[in-house]
Amino acid sequence: GAGVSQSPRYKVTKRGQDVALRCDPISGHVSLYWYRQALGQGPEFLTYFNYEAQQDKSGLPNDRFSAERPEGSISTLTIQRTEQRDSAMYRCASSSTANEQFFGPGTRLTVL
Amino acid sequence: AQSVAQPEDQVNVAEGNPLTVKCTYSVSGNPYLFWYVQYPNRGLQFLLKYITGDNLVKGSYGFEAEFNKSQTSFHLKKPSALVSDSALYFCAVRDISGGSYIPTFGRGTSLIVHP
Repeated sequence: GAGVSQSPRYKVTKRGQDVALRCDPISGHVSLYWYRQALGQGPEFLTYFNYEAQQDKSGLPNDRFSAERPEGSISTLTIQRTEQRDSAMYRCASSSTANEQFFGPGTRLTVL
Repeated sequence: AQSVAQPEDQVNVAEGNPLTVKCTYSVSGNPYLFWYVQYPNRGLQFLLKYITGDNLVKGSYGFEAEFNKSQTSFHLKKPSALVSDSALYFCAVRDISGGSYIPTFGRGTSLIVHP
């Protein structure tokens, strides 16, 4: 069966542009998480959803970051007015329970 | 608050020798503990978890981990390392007592298995 997919895999953008990162979770998984991972670090929590409801967004760095999951399946993480410090690997994970998570391959974002 | 520490940035072991990747945690209540592995250009893959019950947990690819409450540790082990085990390993903890569904990950340990 299909795992978690993310698109695009690589995104290069200029400072000040908006970007939208997409996550397609495993079918039927209730929970969806977004993480940011810097080189040499573990995944850092950004936000998560149960179905379409955003349960916790305490990890979003500032109000330029937002996420949605309108139909309880695909999710989009949007970064407005990108800055160079936003450059990182953005990972999505889904889970059918509150336990182990299944990660996508990530989107490598580079802001020039 | 919950936190996890992986004290070694890198572990080197010869193929065929036993390996240990260390993880210690801190939680206010009771922990759920996880190990994930990340191969180059891939997402994190779940290896094993401790939820409750037997302190020795067996997972994928011959890995196991032992939950030690008194030492607040959850070290990953394998009796005989393979070159293909070389990867980045992440420990994660979730404090279930506070009702949180958000895990905290360690910074990762690079395992290098030499032929």
